[in-house]
Amino acid sequence: SQQGEEDPQALSIQEGENATMNCSYKTSINNLQWYRQNSGRGLVHLILIRSNEREKHSGRLRVTLDTSKKSSSLLITASRAADTASYFCATGFYSGNTPLVFGKGTRLSVIA
Amino acid sequence: SAVISQKPSRDICQRGTSLTIQCQVDSQVTMMFWYRQQPGQSLTLIATANQGSEATYESGFVIDKFPISRPNLTFSTLTVSNMSPEDSSIYLCSVESQGGGETQYFGPGTRLLVL
Repeated sequence: SQQGEEDPQALSIQEGENATMNCSYKTSINNLQWYRQNSGRGLVHLILIRSNEREKHSGRLRVTLDTSKKSSSLLITASRAADTASYFCATGFYSGNTPLVFGKGTRLSVIA
Repeated sequence: SAVISQKPSRDICQRGTSLTIQCQVDSQVTMMFWYRQQPGQSLTLIATANQGSEATYESGFVIDKFPISRPNLTFSTLTVSNMSPEDSSIYLCSVESQGGGETQYFGPGTRLLVL
């Protein structure tokens, strides 16, 4: 069964605004990874956060992890039209060479 | 990181036929994972392929329908057998890069349409 649940399922914002997507999961994890997918193509890895980390940054991306609430958030600041895509969170249960369990994803539309 | 290529990138097939999807990685990896993404849905794990042993399948997926080969540490194939329209999906392979922590990288996917 799928581990992660993202909300919202769809998000539409204006260019320049911030976009926040949330992910919740059910059991203990080793790590949580965020991916972007453009128009049904391959997945692009955005950021990985481990269970002992609370926050990570990469460019305009900020990811937080709250293991007590079993939730994570992805913040994209100063969004651009090129950020329009589907975003997925995926949880890894163990350290090393184990498959990921994906959430349902958030479809982000950034309007120029 | 790992660079992954898949062939074919897309195909249109007739029901009852089979299609073999290839996944090539630019470095040696222990495990390779095959996922399916049905239209408008998220990714679901089909199986884990370890070189030198039979693939391990997830509930709902069977070897007769999705046979997998893993002949070496950089290559794997997934066959979708006796296809039906319900098999229309994107099929993706992924790997965890050696020495890259737990980050998993994905191939560009194979978009399959079964008529």
